[in-house]
Amino acid sequence: DGGITQSPKYLFRKEGQNVTLSCEQNLNHDAMYWYRQDPGQGLRLIYYSQIVNDFQKGDIAEGYSVSREKKESFPLTVTSAQKNPTAFYLCASSGLLRGQGETQYFGPGTRLLVL
Amino acid sequence: GENVEQHPSTLSVQEGDSAVIKCTYSDSASNYFPWYKQELGKGPQLIIDIRSNVGEKKDQRIAVTLNKTAKHFSLHITETQPEDSAVYFCAASLIAGGTSYGKLTFGQGTILTVHP
Repeated sequence: DGGITQSPKYLFRKEGQNVTLSCEQNLNHDAMYWYRQDPGQGLRLIYYSQIVNDFQKGDIAEGYSVSREKKESFPLTVTSAQKNPTAFYLCASSGLLRGQGETQYFGPGTRLLVL
Repeated sequence: GENVEQHPSTLSVQEGDSAVIKCTYSDSASNYFPWYKQELGKGPQLIIDIRSNVGEKKDQRIAVTLNKTAKHFSLHITETQPEDSAVYFCAASLIAGGTSYGKLTFGQGTILTVHP
């Protein structure tokens, strides 16, 4: 059963705490992405990675960090520097580097709430 | 950078009517335009996409049209059903030489409600 999984579904953060959101895909896609979604707004790109051990900042990278040590995994850390972290976080992947198409497939999302 | 504007923000129709959502983009170099449907609490799902070398694309009750000169594209849903109720997002991207810069710029979304 192929797809993108994100965990946890809900995550609570305390003041000054770093939290990590998991994203795993078994679609053999080269590229992976993290988006943030706020109510009434479109998706905004946080970070993306087109190949293992390489990633680029998106439009709103401040207060976030990522790693891409494995093709299947692209975890996102929300650091204490992110002052307004409450949002719905979406991970996506695409097979663009092998001509598999630029379609981005999304995971089910993680809702982050601040205590 | 690219900017995508989407209208309307909410759309309410009766079952069986048609629904149209419009988007405009700012970067004339953009050449890939997907549409996503997002149900409550879930991730977006691609429903149709179009490339700039095509003016129209259909898939059953869904169609997308693209006007490159005016830099706008539209989603058309015919014979709407209650299960079409969701948030719809348009997006724009530049695909160059078989690869992408990895940036989809999204519109703000349209909440579509189909009343039985």
